[in-house]
Amino acid sequence: EAGVVQSPRYKIIEKKQPVAFWCNPISGHNTLYWYRQNLGQGPELLIRYENEEAVDDSQLPKDRFSAERLKGVDSTLKIQPAELGDSAVYLCASSLVTSDAYEQYFGPGTRLTVT
Amino acid sequence: AQSVAQPEDQVNVAEGNPLTVKCTYSVSGNPYLFWYVQYPNRGLQFLLKYITGDNLVKGSYGFEAEFNKSQTSFHLKKPSALVSDSALYFCAVRDRNSNYQLIWGAGTKLIIKP
Repeated sequence: EAGVVQSPRYKIIEKKQPVAFWCNPISGHNTLYWYRQNLGQGPELLIRYENEEAVDDSQLPKDRFSAERLKGVDSTLKIQPAELGDSAVYLCASSLVTSDAYEQYFGPGTRLTVT
Repeated sequence: AQSVAQPEDQVNVAEGNPLTVKCTYSVSGNPYLFWYVQYPNRGLQFLLKYITGDNLVKGSYGFEAEFNKSQTSFHLKKPSALVSDSALYFCAVRDRNSNYQLIWGAGTKLIIKP
């Protein structure tokens, strides 16, 4: 079974430029998450989708971040414009939520460097 | 406030020796407990979880974790460490009443020396 796929793996951009990350979750997983992970820290949830609906985007900086999950499968996270403080690893995860005791499966992440 | 503590930033163990990575939590009720491992330049990989029942949970790669309700701990263990176990380990907790929000520890770097 293929895992969560993310692209690109690495991205270097100048501040004020836009950037987009793509995620393809595990087939059949209805829930998708975007996290941001800074060096030496645990992941921080940005947004959570159930199918195509964003059910929690309370921690997404909406002035510059946006996300979409068209058709309830693939998802894209966008930053426009990027700031120096956005440098981090952006992780996508997915789950098949059929009970309370589900786990999340993570992709390899996209390492973003803003210069 | 709900929180997860991994008191050791780094744990050093000689190959072949047993290892323990500590995790304590402050979450109401009976939470679900998870361990994840992160290898360099890779995403988080699920190792094991505690739901209910037996306090000793077995997971991937020979790891196990012991749930202790009175001490609100969920320490990760392995009887005999391998050099390939060297990685970053994260403990995470989810309140059963919270439906999805994972609370993460800051991670512990495990170094296994040959």
